[in-house]
Amino acid sequence: DIQMTQSPSSLSASVGDRVTITCQASQDISNYLNWYQQKPGKAPKLLIYDASNLETGVPSRFSGSGSGTDFTFTISSLQPEDIATYYCQQYDNLPQGFGGGTKVEIK
Amino acid sequence: EVQLVESGGGLVQPGGSLRLSCAASGFTFSDHYMDWVRQAPGKGLEWVGRTRNKANSYTTEYAASVKGRFTISRDDSKNSLYLQMNSLKTEDTAVYYCARDRRSGSYWGAFDIWGQGTMVTVSS
Repeated sequence: DIQMTQSPSSLSASVGDRVTITCQASQDISNYLNWYQQKPGKAPKLLIYDASNLETGVPSRFSGSGSGTDFTFTISSLQPEDIATYYCQQYDNLPQGFGGGTKVEIK
Repeated sequence: EVQLVESGGGLVQPGGSLRLSCAASGFTFSDHYMDWVRQAPGKGLEWVGRTRNKANSYTTEYAASVKGRFTISRDDSKNSLYLQMNSLKTEDTAVYYCARDRRSGSYWGAFDIWGQGTMVTVSS
């Protein structure tokens, strides 16, 4: 199985800060990577697909990049409503594994 | 409105069985691959399994942790997805989500629509 390693596991930042989360795959997954946002008590929400494509309706402050084994998710200017846990997910091979998650909090 | 609504969760003893349902509306259910994803309390997301669409013979795939115990099925005439869970273990305790694959007609690998989740607790 492909292992997805996300870092950091949690972070605290101020409103307006740039936030970066990384996700590393244990083998080359090309660009077969998605990013999800999950708010407490809610279902995950797709933000980014194919590593860098913004899902319809998602604010442009969210972005993704990378290919192969190393990927980055960025919030360009953190907003209070962005408080959530973020997950990467690979779909190059089954099982479609998720990263361990990054909990984002406001400082 | 495009939505998925799960039902059927509850408390069950170890070794018991439970059947979850997921009712779809607002889109052509029969065209899409459908998946189940679960989340143990305070933990991350775990992919459980998938059913492909009719064009791909309704074939299924499962995570190793549930293979042989869980069965995914669908009834396109009822716009419904099911997860039959047998031989339940305490480690199966989780919120179970159904999720739609983003692409209509074939596989993409991104889940763009999720249900609200249904809680399954396995405990004596």
